[in-house]
Amino acid sequence: GENVEQHPSTLSVQEGDSAVIKCTYSDSASNYFPWYKQELGKRPQLIIDIRSNVGEKKDQRIAVTLNKTAKHFSLHITETQPEDSAVYFCANSDDYKLSFGAGTTVTVRA
Amino acid sequence: GAGVSQSPRYKVAKRGQDVALRCDPISGHVSLFWYQQALGQGPEFLTYFQNEAQLDKSGLPSDRFFAERPEGSVSTLKIQRTQQEDSAVYLCASQSSSVLKETQYFGPGTRLLVL
Repeated sequence: GENVEQHPSTLSVQEGDSAVIKCTYSDSASNYFPWYKQELGKRPQLIIDIRSNVGEKKDQRIAVTLNKTAKHFSLHITETQPEDSAVYFCANSDDYKLSFGAGTTVTVRA
Repeated sequence: GAGVSQSPRYKVAKRGQDVALRCDPISGHVSLFWYQQALGQGPEFLTYFQNEAQLDKSGLPSDRFFAERPEGSVSTLKIQRTQQEDSAVYLCASQSSSVLKETQYFGPGTRLLVL
């Protein structure tokens, strides 16, 4: 959406390396920041989310960081595997509806 | 348990034709959303229901788009007099409550192609 910018649009990494995706937003009232993974032709699936009362959250190989002052948040995937290849979307919300970034196509090279 | 389901999965329509897209949310989920996803883009919000009440339809592109959820469960998105620019994937999502910052679970989408 207009509120969220996501970079890069494509990302190619060697298996085992880390991948980082960054998003910036403009709505200072945003307080919920989920990340979705969408494989080709499949539904978006939530992989991790963070709420505005924390700055970092980790779940196994996935972590998200939030900087509310700078209005940006990032997704970090460590030890990437071929099954991590997909399109990743950041999103934010200040009420009920989600505003999505344009997506990052991640390709993990074996 | 069963996730969000949508039908049909694919729909080809001739320009000017009316279409109806169905969403079956997760049983018991209060909130239901429709999003439109253009090729190579992120989903864009269309409309939001809390039970049977349509609380926000600000994202509907034109008055050709209409959504309903009469019994607070299944929802239908109807597009009248389809145009080529309506071609997109239409995603439905449901959420267990109306509490903010709850997870939205998406269906597989209906891919609409208008010729």
